[in-house]
Amino acid sequence: DVKVTQSSRYLVKRTGEKVFLECVQDMDHENMFWYRQDPGLGLRLIYFSYDVKMKEKGDIPEGYSVSREKKERFSLILESASTNQTSMYLCASSSSGRVYEQYFGPGTRLTVT
Amino acid sequence: ELKVEQNPLFLSMQEGKNYTIYCNYSTTSDRLYWYRQDPGKSLESLFVLLSNGAVKQEGRLMASLDTKARLSTLHITAAVHDLSATYFCAVDMVDMRFGAGTRLTVKP
Repeated sequence: DVKVTQSSRYLVKRTGEKVFLECVQDMDHENMFWYRQDPGLGLRLIYFSYDVKMKEKGDIPEGYSVSREKKERFSLILESASTNQTSMYLCASSSSGRVYEQYFGPGTRLTVT
Repeated sequence: ELKVEQNPLFLSMQEGKNYTIYCNYSTTSDRLYWYRQDPGKSLESLFVLLSNGAVKQEGRLMASLDTKARLSTLHITAAVHDLSATYFCAVDMVDMRFGAGTRLTVKP
């Protein structure tokens, strides 16, 4: 089974702090994605990556950056956390042959106070 | 811009009843996905619909895709409590765009 793990299930940070969310997948997938989920808005894509060191902006990249130095790991960075970034963050991965059959991690619920 | 609209957003139904969740999208796509999410858990892939007229069934759930109408439906037959969850549709357009989700509650 594909496993996508995220570094924390719950995280509480203060406004202005730099926040790192880590995602690791163990199936050698080329593609990795970061989404945020807010009630009534569904999932919105923040960034995605099709290869190591490669990144593309999604729908809502403002206030976020990403890093993919190794194939199995995709990090989401909040340079200066704000209260409107309080949300559930979901990581996903997929193979290049089946790009849109994504496997999701358990999510990180981030609260910014 | 691609928009994906689901309705209803909230659905409360009794066990044994049938109902349909609708997913409309605004631009051409021939790939549509349905996911289920249980409270506190991540998304689970239910169906992948890859062509016009595609129909897939799993247990009490059946999904269909009409690319000309830009509409997918998720039909629930004889609902049971275990189907209570939030259901998302998603459309493939370079990246994935998700609907807002339909929170389904099945009551005894």
